[in-house]
Amino acid sequence: VLTQSPGTLSLSPGERATLSCRASQSVSNNYLAWFHQRPGQPPRLLIYGASRRAAGIPDRFSGSGSGTDFTLSISRLEPEDFAVFYCQQYGSLPFTFGPGTKVDIK
Amino acid sequence: EGQLVQSGAEVKKPGESLKISCKGSGYSFISYWIGWVRQEPGKGLEWMGIIYPGDSDTKYSPSFQGHVTISADKFISTAYVQWTSLKASDTAMYYCVRQGGLHSYIYDWGQGTLVTVSS
Repeated sequence: VLTQSPGTLSLSPGERATLSCRASQSVSNNYLAWFHQRPGQPPRLLIYGASRRAAGIPDRFSGSGSGTDFTLSISRLEPEDFAVFYCQQYGSLPFTFGPGTKVDIK
Repeated sequence: EGQLVQSGAEVKKPGESLKISCKGSGYSFISYWIGWVRQEPGKGLEWMGIIYPGDSDTKYSPSFQGHVTISADKFISTAYVQWTSLKASDTAMYYCVRQGGLHSYIYDWGQGTLVTVSS
């Protein structure tokens, strides 16, 4: 089971965001991904392998962590970043998603 | 670059059957896993299961095992998820996704198929 915190994060453009994803047991091989979903669109991959940025993702996004505790950091929020972020573990079947963190404009 | 194109929105009644599709293009369809993800209205993402079109090896989430069937036709590069008896609780957006290996991250997402089940 993946738990994400906080449930909602209210910040202003230009601020730093820190999102947490905690697993109930160790994520095999740190196979942990982060996705970003805007309303009406499919999710988009940001980070895989806990810390590797996907192709085309700006370097203001960074992932860290291992084992059961993972973090997604956004150094300076841009207007297009305000949406919902999900973590997913793909190390053990069944693969699971966290419940999401909504980042909205303060 | 690969692409996944899903079938269009469906409106069905409880108890009816349904099969929705996901067609892959621009890559070797039999070399990548295709998964399915459910998203109920206003809710989060749920992983349903995954299939390897090369040999039809299929894995299900226990939450969906027995209620849906995932299949693929490698000759027309298309994956499917089907229901024999829909429930109102099946109302959701369904996404297909592509992965390089079973334990690989999701490369691509389809555009989604909205399924509405209502009497």
